[in-house]
Amino acid sequence: ETGVTQSPTHLIKTRGQQVTLRCSSQSGHNTVSWYQQALGQGPQFIFQYYREEENGRGNFPPRFSGLQFPNYSSELNVNALELDDSALYLCASSYGQGSFYEQYFGPGTRLTVT
Amino acid sequence: KNQVEQSPQSLIILEGKNCTLQCNYTVSPFSNLRWYKQDTGRGPVSLTIMTFSENTKSNGRYTATLDADTKQSSLHITASQLSDSASYICVVSPNQAGTALIFGKGTTLSVSS
Repeated sequence: ETGVTQSPTHLIKTRGQQVTLRCSSQSGHNTVSWYQQALGQGPQFIFQYYREEENGRGNFPPRFSGLQFPNYSSELNVNALELDDSALYLCASSYGQGSFYEQYFGPGTRLTVT
Repeated sequence: KNQVEQSPQSLIILEGKNCTLQCNYTVSPFSNLRWYKQDTGRGPVSLTIMTFSENTKSNGRYTATLDADTKQSSLHITASQLSDSASYICVVSPNQAGTALIFGKGTTLSVSS
């Protein structure tokens, strides 16, 4: 088990609604990355935050947004939910933003959009 | 286009047997290659990390190999156990600032008794 926690564990929302997912990073980590993992697929990079600033973004629309707080915890917000947003959302924390840093994943939040 | 492809897509083996999972990538240049184990509905857990200059890395019964010339990696699991049943994901980290990790789709391994 890593020291990364996510909440909630499961969530069911209706199309068009908004959702906020939360992630607490491992102690000492200043970087958080968010991923979307559809069933049977590998994780897809959404964005990364380093010291409260967005540091990189994958191919996701602007309705996916995030925040990182001074304690380095993070939120992922998704507006105007679509059925295809149903997935496992993973966050991962690391000591730094470089590609050689180990990323430690949380257990994920399972989002179902109906 | 940077891609990571894994084979086979799924695999069923008997407990105690060995198996080898394959990973081919087109990412260049790359910083490191990682293998993760992901139990169903859980986050991935790192097994090995190799830089481009390393050929092999072991973690208990897991041994990863890397051939940077042919852009291929493999994960060998020795004396499989029921708890090895999971998805194994190959991940390549490009050697470019601000570039995200590139994940394969994973190989689903089922170990039966």
